[in-house]
Amino acid sequence: ETGVTQSPTHLIKTRGQQVTLRCSSQSGHNTVSWYQQALGQGPQFIFQYYREEENGRGNFPPRFSGLQFPNYSSELNVNALELDDSALYLCASSFTVFGGGPGEQYFGPGTRLTVT
Amino acid sequence: AQSVTQLGSHVSVSEGALVLLRCNYSSSVPPYLFWYVQYPNQGLQLLLKYTTGATLVKGINGFEAEFKKSETSFHLTKPSAHMSDAAEYFCAVKRSQGNLIFGKGTKLSVKP
Repeated sequence: ETGVTQSPTHLIKTRGQQVTLRCSSQSGHNTVSWYQQALGQGPQFIFQYYREEENGRGNFPPRFSGLQFPNYSSELNVNALELDDSALYLCASSFTVFGGGPGEQYFGPGTRLTVT
Repeated sequence: AQSVTQLGSHVSVSEGALVLLRCNYSSSVPPYLFWYVQYPNQGLQLLLKYTTGATLVKGINGFEAEFKKSETSFHLTKPSAHMSDAAEYFCAVKRSQGNLIFGKGTKLSVKP
């Protein structure tokens, strides 16, 4: 059973650029959640994808967007990068029973994004 | 609205001493509560969780936590600290939509 994987591990971008982060969910999972963890802070929920649709969102602006693919992998896209977007981005996968809520979340190792 | 407060951003103990990391929650519905550990430059690893049933929950690596509804607390303990326990620990509550709300974390240092 493969765990949650994320790519790339590290990334350096310039303010104003766009970035795409990728996540492969754990085998058997159908739901992906993304979190932003700024230095010295706890993770903050960005959004969640189930059945290829966004079904929950935290307090993040529209320039944070995502996709989920038929194989349940996911992308997080951030446009017009700002210095404050520098953080560790964590992906978590889980299994949602149809009509029920998501189960336990398993986290990937994260992508460290630095915006200069 | 649900929230989590972790008391103490940094806790230091000696090897072999008791570890106590404090977490208080706010929730209008019966909470699902979690403790995660994060080692440097790594993701989050689940230590233990409380959903329903027994209020004393045992986790991995000798950690346990007790759900106390009257005190709205879910403190994490370990009888004897080991050097390998040095890490950051996060308490979290699960929202009905499924996402987690995390505390700000407590960094545990273990002195030899």
